[in-house]
Amino acid sequence: AQSVTQLGSHVSVSEGALVLLRCNYSSSVPPYLFWYVQYPNQGLQLLLKYTSAATLVKGINGFEAEFKKSETSFHLTKPSAHMSDAAEYFCAVSEAGGTASKLTFGTGTRLQVTL
Amino acid sequence: NAGVTQTPKFQVLKTGQSMTLQCAQDMNHEYMSWYRQDPGMGLRLIHYSVGAGITDQGEVPNGYNVSRSTTEDFPLRLLSAAPSQTSVYFCASSYSRQGGEQYFGPGTRLTVT
Repeated sequence: AQSVTQLGSHVSVSEGALVLLRCNYSSSVPPYLFWYVQYPNQGLQLLLKYTSAATLVKGINGFEAEFKKSETSFHLTKPSAHMSDAAEYFCAVSEAGGTASKLTFGTGTRLQVTL
Repeated sequence: NAGVTQTPKFQVLKTGQSMTLQCAQDMNHEYMSWYRQDPGMGLRLIHYSVGAGITDQGEVPNGYNVSRSTTEDFPLRLLSAAPSQTSVYFCASSYSRQGGEQYFGPGTRLTVT
């Protein structure tokens, strides 16, 4: 069975600082990986996804993530945080060969950006 | 395109009452799913459907029923609401293919007293 672990339920960074949100997955086969963002009182919006085309994936709003098979990780980064990045971020996995599009989510990381 | 729509946005129920959360999408997606979101637990899959007439259980199906009579609609029914079902419910849809992006609705906030 696949699973996702997000280390750190809350992360606080200063505006302009590096953002690093951690995600590790467990899957018996190479998975598809996703990062979603949720702004307050809204649904989830896709930031980026990994589907085996390239290990470094660029997404919207300046975010990117790198798939590292040896570390079973898919950490999300952004070089310079902006106040508008404050939100909750979810990592999710869909197992290749399983039910198409069936996602397992991590528990989320709330990002706070301070002045 | 409206995308994925959910109604109502808010609902308060008394224990034992029943209700249906509505979900519709206009993107001709085969795959639709229902999640509940609780603090500190992320999103957990309740039920999903890979096409009209086909549904299956997810991680937390107890207390919920679904049906899929059309491609567009995927309602979630609570037959006898319990306080443990107080949550935010999200519907999502996607093309049924490997690695397909799921599109989420705005959510329904349900409180059961």
